[in-house]
This record gives sequence, C-alpha cells and structure tokens, in this order.
Amino acid sequence: GAGVSQSPSNKVTEKGKDVELRCDPISGHTALYWYRQSLGQGLEFLIYFQGNSAPDKSGLPSDRFSAERTGGSVSTLTIQRTQQEDSAVYLCASSLFAHAGAGSPLHFGNGTRLTVT
Amino acid sequence: AQTVTQSQPEMSVQEAETVTLSCTYDTSESDYYLFWYKQPPSRQMILVIRQEAYKQQNATENRFSVNFQKAAKSFSLKISDSQLGDAAMYFCAYRSTGNQFYFGTGTSLTVIP
Repeated sequence: GAGVSQSPSNKVTEKGKDVELRCDPISGHTALYWYRQSLGQGLEFLIYFQGNSAPDKSGLPSDRFSAERTGGSVSTLTIQRTQQEDSAVYLCASSLFAHAGAGSPLHFGNGTRLTVT
Repeated sequence: AQTVTQSQPEMSVQEAETVTLSCTYDTSESDYYLFWYKQPPSRQMILVIRQEAYKQQNATENRFSVNFQKAAKSFSLKISDSQLGDAAMYFCAYRSTGNQFYFGTGTSLTVIP
C-alpha cells in the first residue's frame, strides 16, 4: 500500500498568517507523530497520537501550534500567526503498534517545508 | 527522559571502504528498541536497521550491521563496501516502552569516489 503522505510538499507564507499541514498515515497504523526539523538539525518531537487515547502534546513549542487527528486517520497540524522561527521541515510519521513493546518502526512522509517570510 | 547522542556531526569514507557511525543513549529501561534511519537530500527518512534490546545478537541488513553493547549503552552502525548512494544524514533513534521515539542530532556521511 501507499506510504505516509504529506501535503503540501512546500508552503511559503507571510508572517502572521495561519497554515495547515496535512498528514495521511499508512492505513491501519494506530500511532501518528509530528516532528519538526530545522535546517541541518535533528528531529524535534511535537505531538503523538495513539489510537483513541489523548494525544501527547508535550513537544508543542507554543499555544500557536495545535494538531488533530480525525477518525484515527488523517492528521492536521495547524500553526497560527506564523513567525519566521517556525520555518522548518515538518515531518509526519506513523507506526503500527500491535501491542506494547512490539518495536514497530516509524514510517515517515516526505515532509512539508514551511517558509515564513 | 531518554537521551540519544551522536558525537560525530560529520564523517567521510572512501567508496568501497567501511565506516562506523557512533551512537550512545541514556536510559533506565531494560526493554527498548533502537533504530538507525537514513535521510538523503530528498529528506525522506528511511529505516536502515532495527535492534531489540533483549536480543544479544547484533542485527544485520546486507551491508549494514550494528555493534550493540547494552551495558555500555552503545549502538554503532557499520556500513561495509560503502557506495555513493550511502551518502546521507544518519540518525540514531531510541523507542521507549511508552512508545516515544528519541533521536540523535545526526551524522552527515560523505562518500568519496
């Protein structure tokens, strides 16, 4: 089947505008993660959804960032009042956790490159 | 919280030679999983290899193998017979029992023809 799909691939927006980034995980994957990767840097955890459980939002950098996952599938990451420091690649990943400790890897999308001007 | 450290920001290797990328981690858990991911310029993160902490045998995938030292909390990646297509950013990752993933800061590998 298809891999993790993210859209748009690239997004240029003006400072102060809101943006929505979309992630369509692999069918059947119960876990979904958002990461942020600044130029030449590692991955910064943002948020994690697992099934119907409350999401782990501990990585969201400010209240301008929010995310939702509808119907346990597609997820949208929203950044309100964008700032230049929000410029980065936003990566989405999904995983199949059949049970705790299954060791399933993350499957990543190609990311959305966000540029705030 | 778990931390993952990659102490080599950049590495280079001659084509057809062998290179080892280092990774150490800190944890109090006894059961966990470790991964190496490759990120070429296309920015797609690709799984290279996975190691289960309760398995003593080192994982291998074709030209890629790991040296897993649980007591030392070390998880290095060895790439044999390096190819031009191996040039990429490599990330070490730790998956906790709470299903959270922790990544190192990456090692940029250059393959010299």
